[in-house]
Amino acid sequence: DAKTTQPNSMESNEEEPVHLPCNHSTISGTDYIHWYRQLPSQGPEYVIHGLTSNVNNRMASLAIAEDRKSSTLILHRATLRDAAVYYCILRDGSNYQLIWGAGTKLIIKP
Amino acid sequence: TAGITQAPTSQILAAGRSMTLRCTQDMRHNAMYWYRQDLGLGLRLIHYSNTAGTTGKGEVPDGYSVSRANTDDFPLTLASAVPSQTSVYFCASSAAGGPYNEQFFGPGTRLTVL
Repeated sequence: DAKTTQPNSMESNEEEPVHLPCNHSTISGTDYIHWYRQLPSQGPEYVIHGLTSNVNNRMASLAIAEDRKSSTLILHRATLRDAAVYYCILRDGSNYQLIWGAGTKLIIKP
Repeated sequence: TAGITQAPTSQILAAGRSMTLRCTQDMRHNAMYWYRQDLGLGLRLIHYSNTAGTTGKGEVPDGYSVSRANTDDFPLTLASAVPSQTSVYFCASSAAGGPYNEQFFGPGTRLTVL
């Protein structure tokens, strides 16, 4: 299974944009890129996913590199409630597993 | 809406005892999953079910069993608990098992095996 690499932690100031990087150099053509986040003491929460094109939703934007070997989750205006561990996950159609890494702990400073 | 409920919220279990973790969803989702999350790590898939009546093994299935008698319920059973099964257990569901379907997670069950 293709794996992802993320920084262990990142800090950002409140009300500023946040760019969370993810490397997935072994991604295959059928792998979808998913992002989930986990707030303290809660279950994970879906954020966004994409295949090739950049994606936007009410929570975030996902920018996917042209070669698909990396992607960036963009929180346009971070709030204290966005402090969480963010997981970048690849998922293909041949199995049902989400392979989770350790994620990036996002710290928001007021 | 309730979404996914899990019970119990937490449990302390003696090694060698059996236990069933309960999971119920009210979204009529076809696919359901059980994950475990050890301290400071990401989630690992234990078992999954694409639809009622079928189940499959995930990354770490040993020591666990599941059943899917109906759409809504997906219990996870530990037949003889061991300390290495101390973890937080999350149940999840998705409309279908495809790679583009988002998974919805329950609040988790914190299990300590002594």
